[in-house]
Amino acid sequence: DAKTTQPPSMDCAEGRAANLPCNHSTISGNEYVYWYRQIHSQGPQYIIHGLKNNETNEMASLIITEDRKSSTLILPHATLRDTAVYYCIVRVEYGGFKTIFGAGTRLFVKA
Amino acid sequence: EAGVTQFPSHSVIEKGQTVTLRCDPISGHDNLYWYRRVMGKEIKFLLHFVKESKQDESGMPNNRFLAERTGGTYSTLKVQPAELEDSGVYFCASSFQGVDTEAFFGQGTRLTVV
Repeated sequence: DAKTTQPPSMDCAEGRAANLPCNHSTISGNEYVYWYRQIHSQGPQYIIHGLKNNETNEMASLIITEDRKSSTLILPHATLRDTAVYYCIVRVEYGGFKTIFGAGTRLFVKA
Repeated sequence: EAGVTQFPSHSVIEKGQTVTLRCDPISGHDNLYWYRRVMGKEIKFLLHFVKESKQDESGMPNNRFLAERTGGTYSTLKVQPAELEDSGVYFCASSFQGVDTEAFFGQGTRLTVV
């Protein structure tokens, strides 16, 4: 399974964009990049996923480099409620969801 | 639309007892997954069902853990006998089939073995 590397923590001012980086240099051609977050001890919450192209939904944008070795999750206008641990995950190819959760990035949004 | 539901939300049992956790996936989701997070550690995959069949159970820690999904609907995870190191939060997730589908997680069951 492809391994991901994320910074352990980041700060962001409320109302500003939060840019969370992720390295996945061993990703295979058909593996998707998924982002989840966990607020306190709640269940992980799906944010966004992509394969090659940049993606945007109502929660965030996902920017994937052309070589697919890294990606950035962008929360365009962070709020205090976005304070959470964010996980970048590479999904294995077989069609299941045997995700490998790393330590993630703990994002602190400050007023 | 109902999400993934897990019962109970909390369970406190004594070492050596048996506990059964239940997960009700989103209707229509053939894939069902179990994960666990022990204190201070990362979330770890336990196993994956496709309908009623175990697709991958490589993450199950030992034979004290038994997961079932009779009829391909809800799933149970039984721990017998429970040990202190089994304490943690157990998450269930479900998804449609396909490589381009997200998994939705339940709120978890917090298990404490004393």
